[in-house]
Amino acid sequence: QSALTQPPSASGSPGQSVTISCSGTSSDVGGYNYVSWYQHHPGKAPKLVIYEVSKRPSGVPDRFTGSKSGNTASLAVSGLQAEDEGDYYCSSYAGSNNYVFGPGTKVTVL
Amino acid sequence: QVQLVQSGAEVKTPGASVKVSCKASGYTFTSYGISWVRQAPGQGLEWMGWISTYNGHTNYLQKFQGRVTMTTDTFTSTAYMELRRLRYDDTAVYYCARGPFGHFDHWGQGTLVTVSS
Repeated sequence: QSALTQPPSASGSPGQSVTISCSGTSSDVGGYNYVSWYQHHPGKAPKLVIYEVSKRPSGVPDRFTGSKSGNTASLAVSGLQAEDEGDYYCSSYAGSNNYVFGPGTKVTVL
Repeated sequence: QVQLVQSGAEVKTPGASVKVSCKASGYTFTSYGISWVRQAPGQGLEWMGWISTYNGHTNYLQKFQGRVTMTTDTFTSTAYMELRRLRYDDTAVYYCARGPFGHFDHWGQGTLVTVSS
């Protein structure tokens, strides 16, 4: 399967919002409600922030919102804070116990 | 609390094999599958494959078929990932990740594997 598509970078000032897109196909993003998002800081383990398109794990603030339309999923981060800076990866189930990641989006808090 | 603790960094020569371990604690090991994900320097995350800790069934990304073997030891709650015939471009941080279906909710700390002559 091919990797998903994400913009390489996104930025916003503290308190503003940023939205990251994740484009796939009907064989992954569009075909299943199993899109997840991960926050990754260098040298640390990735952290799950959204699963099953729009669900937040316990402890993740409601500033993080996930959605999907057709073959494209999105992650919105509102009320940007300094600690939100990092790399964000989307992932999708792709059938037959396969998964695929996007290339990652570097979020900068200006 | 759920923890996945991986083995330490490895340096290997091209053509060698590496076996990375991932010891789980804080939950029933056989209730969740384990995926392996790697990140090469300057690159994004790449899913490598998955193993069912319940029955040992595996599914590998096609590019790794024939070079990777994922196993588990349910007595010690440990998952293993062996990659053979290492190449320079296998240099990466390798992560294990617990997988409820559809996502990865807990990750190991990562194991740096360096392939160098």
